[in-house]
Amino acid sequence: GAVVSQHPSWVICKSGTSVKIECRSLDFQATTMFWYRQFPKQSLMLMATSNEGSKATYEQGVEKDKFLINHASLTLSTLTVTSAHPEDSSFYICSYSPTGRHNSPLHFGNGTRLTVT
Amino acid sequence: QKEVEQNSGPLSVPEGAIASLNCTYSDRGSQSFFWYRQYSGKSPELIMFIYSNGDKEDGRFTAQLNKASQYVSLLIRDSQPSDSATYLCAVDQGGKLIFGQGTELSVKP
Repeated sequence: GAVVSQHPSWVICKSGTSVKIECRSLDFQATTMFWYRQFPKQSLMLMATSNEGSKATYEQGVEKDKFLINHASLTLSTLTVTSAHPEDSSFYICSYSPTGRHNSPLHFGNGTRLTVT
Repeated sequence: QKEVEQNSGPLSVPEGAIASLNCTYSDRGSQSFFWYRQYSGKSPELIMFIYSNGDKEDGRFTAQLNKASQYVSLLIRDSQPSDSATYLCAVDQGGKLIFGQGTELSVKP
């Protein structure tokens, strides 16, 4: 199956700083990646769809200037949380669908636990 | 009304028993249904998907779909302690997956 490598696994940062999360496809080329956020005891929420070589598509309520997504190559998508605040503390997960469609079986990265102090 | 609803649990079953996890959804037009397992602190992993009414079996897992009643369930036979996790139901809604909150399953030895 598709292997999605996500780094870092966890990160602690101070309020006001920025954090970059990387998601790499190791054995396939991903034109589309999906970024999720999961707060404790809550469901996965789709934040944005990352498209190689073009702008990301953000879900309603997600600030595109705060959560910067870059998908410059077929094997790397990055999410940068800018000017992080404690309320941004969450579990961030990228995923890939072999069909490129969201309503298909998804392969998830290992996730990044972000804690903002 | 939540779009995808699951009982948060915890659901506790003894080892060897059948665990039954249920999920209801609101969009009658939904065509694709998925079950993911998520261990504590880890990301979800796909267990099964089902598109047609009826049952779909894969090893100890059976997914059941009833579109008329708008529910999808997951049965785990011969439950093992290693099955203890949160099970997420995901339903296609307009081309996007909507995830339920998840049901926490605890299998007691």
